[in-house]
Amino acid sequence: QSVLTQPSSVSAAPGQKVTISCSGSSSNIGNNFVSWYQQLPGTAPKLLMYENNKRPSGIPDRFSGSESGTSATLGITGLQTGDEADYYCGTWDSSLSSVVFGGGTKLTVL
Amino acid sequence: QVQLQESGPGLVKPSQTLSLTCTVSGDSITFVNYYWSWFRQHPGKGLEWIGNIFYSGSTYYNPSLKSRVTISIDTSKNQFSLNLRSVTAADTAAYYCARGLAAALIDYWGQGTLVTVSS
Repeated sequence: QSVLTQPSSVSAAPGQKVTISCSGSSSNIGNNFVSWYQQLPGTAPKLLMYENNKRPSGIPDRFSGSESGTSATLGITGLQTGDEADYYCGTWDSSLSSVVFGGGTKLTVL
Repeated sequence: QVQLQESGPGLVKPSQTLSLTCTVSGDSITFVNYYWSWFRQHPGKGLEWIGNIFYSGSTYYNPSLKSRVTISIDTSKNQFSLNLRSVTAADTAAYYCARGLAAALIDYWGQGTLVTVSS
């Protein structure tokens, strides 16, 4: 059981928008920055978002991040078939003294 | 361009020690702010943090693995290594080395290496 809770799957049509939620607690999301990772099939994770809502160089502005209280959200607009991947949220948990992740959300672009 | 490459046996026998090395190129492992990290991913499952090490040699480990893990650094070779002792089939996973700007902020990942624990 993951410390952070994500939906197991989401889906939407090409061109549409989708959001992926990540729920935690005061010991993790509530007091630490969240990062988001995209993992395409058979590849290593790739940093998509850091410090809740900052995009690394090269990540298009179709991707956005937000945080409120003990939850974080990743948004993707203008969905493309190439966005089909597993998405993970991660942060530091001050009580566990450990990096923790969500269980991952599989995005399907129908 | 920063690159990380894992190397080590792909098959380890139960009760033995899993040993992997990560070679870093395009950057110096001695930069003080980086978290040189190990993660793993069980087949079909999510990401798990194993631990990280700083240039100084300071280490931080996942409490659930701490009793079996050692991460070390070799600045002369620009490498850092993972040792996981007393492995079982439950340690079968893809293992990734990575560079972090913070514990959970990983900007560069190795391609990963699958390690199977089996007799």
